[in-house]
Amino acid sequence: AQTVTQSQPEMSVQEAETVTLSCTYDTSESDYYLFWYKQPPSRQMILVIRQEAYKQQNATENRFSVNFQKAAKSFSLKISDSQLGDAAMYFCACQNNYGQNFVFGPGTRLSVLP
Amino acid sequence: DAGVIQSPRHEVTEMGQEVTLRCKPISGHNSLFWYRQTMMRGLELLIYFNNNVPIDDSGMPEDRFSAKMPNASFSTLKIQPSEPRDSAVYFCASRSPLFGTEAFFGQGTRLTVV
Repeated sequence: AQTVTQSQPEMSVQEAETVTLSCTYDTSESDYYLFWYKQPPSRQMILVIRQEAYKQQNATENRFSVNFQKAAKSFSLKISDSQLGDAAMYFCACQNNYGQNFVFGPGTRLSVLP
Repeated sequence: DAGVIQSPRHEVTEMGQEVTLRCKPISGHNSLFWYRQTMMRGLELLIYFNNNVPIDDSGMPEDRFSAKMPNASFSTLKIQPSEPRDSAVYFCASRSPLFGTEAFFGQGTRLTVV
């Protein structure tokens, strides 16, 4: 079974600054995918970034990047140049390579201060 | 494609009544997930289907909950009888068979049982 842990229930960041959200996971699978989703107040779940476990290179999407440490089973999200629109709940998720189990962490609520 | 479509968006019902939540996945997707989101428990995976077959329903909280997927374009989650503790946002998500793709979420159904 897979488990995902996010140890920071809430975080805040000043606009234009950088913030890092933590995520650790546990899986018995050798091949899997990791995701960060954003849930704004509209409650729509939006994919932010994806990382394949077999790739050593960290994924990057514009202002969003990850620090993937496979041995430590750590998958943190870095948001650079934070914007007010980044305020949301952020969920880390792990999916095995058959896509038959898609497990989410408890989430981190990010506030962006003007 | 219109994305994953859930209905209704909001449902208010009295304790003891039957509630049926509906989901239309994205065309061509072969995996479908039902999640429940609450403040206390976060995002819980209730059940997932692969090619219309229930693969794992270990997250279904009790026998009052049942889910069906009669064809590739429709799924239901039924609660009978409903209880106040079932109040939550219920999400449906679907995923394509392509290796490593993310799950796409519907807008969710906010269920309130009074």
